[in-house]
Order: sequence, then C-alpha cells, then structure tokens
Amino acid sequence: KQEVTQIPAALSVPEGENLVLNCSFTDSAIYNLQWFRQDPGKGLTSLLLIQSSQREQTSGRLNASLDKSSGRSTLYIAASQPGDSATYLCAVSPLSGGSYIPTFGRGTSLIVHP
Amino acid sequence: DTGVSQNPRHKITKRGQNVTFRCDPISEHNRLYWYRQTLGQGPEFLTYFQNEAQLEKSRLLSDRFSAERPKGSFSTLEIQRTEQGDSAMYLCASSHTTGQPQHFGDGTRLSIL
Repeated sequence: KQEVTQIPAALSVPEGENLVLNCSFTDSAIYNLQWFRQDPGKGLTSLLLIQSSQREQTSGRLNASLDKSSGRSTLYIAASQPGDSATYLCAVSPLSGGSYIPTFGRGTSLIVHP
Repeated sequence: DTGVSQNPRHKITKRGQNVTFRCDPISEHNRLYWYRQTLGQGPEFLTYFQNEAQLEKSRLLSDRFSAERPKGSFSTLEIQRTEQGDSAMYLCASSHTTGQPQHFGDGTRLSIL
C-alpha cells in the first residue's frame, strides 16, 4: 500500500525566502506525482504534474523535482510571497491498474508573513 | 472551461438524516472522482466513474454511502443515516481518461449536529 509523507507539517517564513517542501513515498512504481495547493475551505488547485519519466517541472516561481528511485519529490518556491500562504499537498498515482487513483500526503501548511 | 462545480457548499443536518451532494464536472471530462477530506488530512479516495460506469466502489466508507452518474455527466453522492463521523469536506474531481491532471471543485462541507 502506497504511503505518502510530507515534511514539514507546517512552516512559517518571512516574505522573500526560498522554500523547499518535501514529499516521500514508499512505492516507486508510480505513474506520476502531482503537487496541489489548497486554500482554507476550498478545493485543490493543481500546481505541477511530473510524469514518472520526468525529473522536474517548472511553473513561474515553482519548481518540482522527482527522484523515483529514492521515493522523493521536492517543491521549491522561490521568493515567497504572502499570497503563497496555503496548504501544499503531494499526490502519487500508481503505475498499474489504469485507475490512476492518487494517494495524498497530509500536506504542508505554509504561512508567509510580510 | 467553467471548472468543477459542487452543490451545496455547506450542508448542516441532524444525525440520522440522509444527505445528497451534487458534482458537475468539466464538460469534456469522462472521469469523475469523489473524495472525503477531514481536518489536517489529505483527501481520501471514495469512488470514481468513467462515463456512467462506476469502476471502483470498494473504498466507499460503508454501505450507507452510494454514488451515481446516470448519464455520464453530473454525479451525486448520497449518505444515508448520517453519523457524527461523517462530518467532513466532500470533494469531487474530474479528468480525461488518462486520469491526470485532476481538476477539483471547492467541495461540500458537511456538518452533522
């Protein structure tokens, strides 16, 4: 059974800092890995999706890397802003079965203060 | 692309009542997923459809939970005889057949009194 762990559980930083959020998973037979953002009381917004054959994806100030063999992914946020405050979730979809049902971590709650 | 729409946004009901939630996916998406999320946890998968076919329902939490997608468009999730432990956010997501990426609605927050 796939298990996804996110560290740290919570993070509070001043504006402008560069951040690294970590995600680890136990089964390396994955189809892809996705990073989401969730604002309080809202649904999830997809940030980056990395296919199993890829090593990283970038979007603006966000960069996600994937090391499938070690079961790790990192989300790098450059020059953090107060608007980045949210919970960031990592989800891993399995390679087999065709269902692509993701397993989610518990998330990292990020606060960026001015 | 109007996004995934869920109604109602909030539902407050007494224990023992039945509740039904609706999800309208992105129109060209043929996959639709239901999740439950409790405070401090990631979403927990419940069931999913490809068009009108329910392809996985073994992870519905109990036989009080059921879901339908009769015409392959919108879907409903019903919880019968609600219990305190059913209080949670219920999320719906849709995608193309490849399953990715999934686009989520804003969820329905269920509170059981």
